[in-house]
Formats: sequence, structure tokens, C-alpha cells
Amino acid sequence: QTVVTQEPSLSVSPGGTVTFTCGLNSDSVSTTYYPSWYQQTPGQAPRTLIYKTNIRSSGVPDRFSGSILGNKAALTITGAQADDESAYYCLLFMGSGIWVFGGGTKLTVL
Amino acid sequence: QVQLVESGGGVVQPGGSLRLSCAASGFTFSPYNMHWVRQGPGKGLEWVAVIWYDGSDKYYADSVKGRFTISRDNSINTLYLQMHSLTPEDTAVYYCAKDSGGGYCAFDVWGQGTLVTVSS
Repeated sequence: QTVVTQEPSLSVSPGGTVTFTCGLNSDSVSTTYYPSWYQQTPGQAPRTLIYKTNIRSSGVPDRFSGSILGNKAALTITGAQADDESAYYCLLFMGSGIWVFGGGTKLTVL
Repeated sequence: QVQLVESGGGVVQPGGSLRLSCAASGFTFSPYNMHWVRQGPGKGLEWVAVIWYDGSDKYYADSVKGRFTISRDNSINTLYLQMHSLTPEDTAVYYCAKDSGGGYCAFDVWGQGTLVTVSS
């Protein structure tokens, strides 16, 4: 069974840098999985941040960036702000019409 | 503006059925694949199903395969999710999402969700 792994929680100081990772239990994550990233605050629908590894969605500030780090996809926030406190989800396309979300990472800005 | 509006959620008994709808507006619906995603109470996002832009292909998460059916009507810009044999584990907010297209395999527009509660 495919499991997409994310850190359950991370914290960052205002103005700091934080990196989220997205891994696979059975393989290395590469661009062929078309990793994308989503932000969600409680009670709200998800918001698309990054698609195809490193393309920012319309209106997303450039302090959000995506990459591949080692064998994982990564989302980095540079210059974190208080309103970045949210849950962040990665999504991988597994091929054959199947997508899988990671379990999500809750970010605390303190 | 680009918008997806889900409807049809509610309370249903275990073993029951429900049909969700997602009305699209502000963009040309027919060229895009469409998805359903759900989120159980206090849980993460779970991809549920996708339907190809012309309805020719449909794929499902293992957790719903054989019980849920995704469909669409491009003439009225509407996506559907027919759900049967519901269990308490299907309790969730159900979101419809537009595929970004362009081969990017991502979701770029989300609805606000509709709540499905499976309980006796």
C-alpha cells in the first residue's frame, strides 16, 4: 500500500525558514510524481500553493518554493509570517489515474 | 469568478446512499478532469475519485471502489458523486476540485465542501 509521508508538525519563528518534506514508503519522490502542495486553515477549503514540483500557483507569494531534496519533495517557506500557521498537504500522482495525499503537516509560527 | 459549489450533503444512516453535486462556473468546464476529495473530522485530505474531461475514464481510491461512482454532465457544468453502502468511516467534508490541466496533475480550484454524516 502506498503511503505518502509528511512530518506531523513543524514550528518556525516569525521571519524564519521552514522546510516540509513529502516522501514515499516504497520509492524516492521525483518530478515524475508531479508533487503539489496545498495549504489549509481550519474550516476552510484547501488552497493550492505549488504544482509540478516547483511552479507557484497564481497569487502565491515567492516566499513559498517547491523542490526535490534528496529522495523527497519539499516545500520551503522563507520569511515565515503569522498567517502561515496552517496545515500543509502534499499530493503525489501515482500514475494509472491515482493520486495520494500525505497525512499533512501542522505548522506553528511562534 | 471561477467557482465550484458543492451540494447534497446531509445525514444518512449506515448502509444508505447519497448523491453529491458540484456546480462549476466562471470557467470552461468540459476540457478539465475533475476530482472529489474528502476530509474526515480532524483528519487529513483523502483523494476519492477522478473523472476524465469527457467522462471516458474514471478512477477511485481503494476505500470507495465499488461503492462510489463519479460522473459529470458537461451540458450543465456539473460533477456528481453517487455514494452507496455508506459507513461511519465515510463521514467527511467532501470537496470537488478542478484539475489544473496542462499535464500538471494538480488541483487548482476547490469548492467550499459539503458535509456528509453517516450515523444512525
